[in-house]
Amino acid sequence: AQSVTQLDSQVPVFEEAPVELRCNYSSSVSVYLFWYVQYPNQGLQLLLKYLSGSTLVKGINGFEAEFNKSQTSFHLRKPSVHISDTAEYFCAVRSPGAGSYQLTFGKGTKLSVIP
Amino acid sequence: DTEVTQTPKHLVMGMTNKKSLKCEQHMGHRAMYWYKQKAKKPPELMFVYSYEKLSINESVPSRFSPECPNSSLLNLHLHALQPEDSALYLCASSQVSGQPQHFGDGTRLSIL
Repeated sequence: AQSVTQLDSQVPVFEEAPVELRCNYSSSVSVYLFWYVQYPNQGLQLLLKYLSGSTLVKGINGFEAEFNKSQTSFHLRKPSVHISDTAEYFCAVRSPGAGSYQLTFGKGTKLSVIP
Repeated sequence: DTEVTQTPKHLVMGMTNKKSLKCEQHMGHRAMYWYKQKAKKPPELMFVYSYEKLSINESVPSRFSPECPNSSLLNLHLHALQPEDSALYLCASSQVSGQPQHFGDGTRLSIL
């Protein structure tokens, strides 16, 4: 069984400040890792993914995340946030391989950017 | 613009009505999904279709009936819903081998 813990339910941050959204996972097998963003009244948009290879993953909108296998973490970072980054962010894991469809989500972190 | 298109965007229905939600993708994905999302919660998986066959049903009540007419289309037929079924219903698609799921913008459903 897999689980995802997003340690902060809400993160307020001032505009142009850096931000880190934390994600830890638990799994007995290797996993694929994802960050999704959900803007108000919209669906989920893929920010970035870790499937294999380099542990530092760059995504859209200036976000990046680092996979740390020893700490089972996949924290999301942005060096300077904008008002438009205000949204809900979900970390998710999935087992690799054909026939593995279950995407396990964390409970989400609400990022609020303060002008 | 999303590559997964869901219609309608909003739906209000009574508890005795029958309606359908529609989802379409043209990315060649062979896995398609229905999720239910309540406010301030992550999406909850309802159904998974793989190669147009139902692979996963997460113990969803029979008042929700999925259908996959072809590899590009996914429907969710609704009948005799309850007020607690009011939620955002999201469709997603992916390649079958663990690749990311792409989500539509959802249908916001309200049951009167």
